[in-house]
Amino acid sequence: EAGVTQSPTHLIKTRGQQATLRCSPISGHTSVYWYQQALGLGLQFLLWYDEGEERNRGNFPPRFSGRQFPNYSSELNVNALELEDSALYLCASSLSGDNEQFFGPGTRLTVL
Amino acid sequence: AQKVTQAQTEISVVEKEDVTLDCVYETRDTTYYLFWYKQPPSGELVFLIRRNSFDEQNEISGRYSWNFQKSTSSFNFTITASQVVDSAVYFCALSEFDNTDKLIFGTGTRLQVFP
Repeated sequence: EAGVTQSPTHLIKTRGQQATLRCSPISGHTSVYWYQQALGLGLQFLLWYDEGEERNRGNFPPRFSGRQFPNYSSELNVNALELEDSALYLCASSLSGDNEQFFGPGTRLTVL
Repeated sequence: AQKVTQAQTEISVVEKEDVTLDCVYETRDTTYYLFWYKQPPSGELVFLIRRNSFDEQNEISGRYSWNFQKSTSSFNFTITASQVVDSAVYFCALSEFDNTDKLIFGTGTRLQVFP
């Protein structure tokens, strides 16, 4: 069974640009979560989508947004990139109503 | 407030030693879940265990064991006879039963196992 996949593996942007990160959940999983792992800040919860709707978001500014598609894959968009957005962005998926989350390999975003 | 504390930033051991990674949590909820994840150098978080707050039984899985003690709000993880492949960052996490489903992570403990 395929695990959670994320693309791209690496992404390099400059300040002010926009970044789009993609995630495909494990087959049968309808919940997708996004986490940011920045140096020195640990793993921080960003967003949770379930059945196409945003269910919860962490303490991040509105320029972090996303969506979930009918096939349950998800996109994370980061607008007006800042240097401190440089981090590993991890996506996880789970069955709806189950908090056992399985993680993808991450997208490393570097903002120059 | 919810919080997970992993006081050990880095631990180094020699192969075949036993090692215990500490995790202390804070929550006001009576129903919650605790997790351990492993993050090898590749970056992907690997799920190791989930335990709910009503199940204080210790668990053993091969060389891994977990000691859950509600009285001290701790959920410690022991690796017996460590191996070089155990080298990774280990995260403890908490999820409260409030339908937010988010995981609150500790800062992680980097374990280095030397041959």
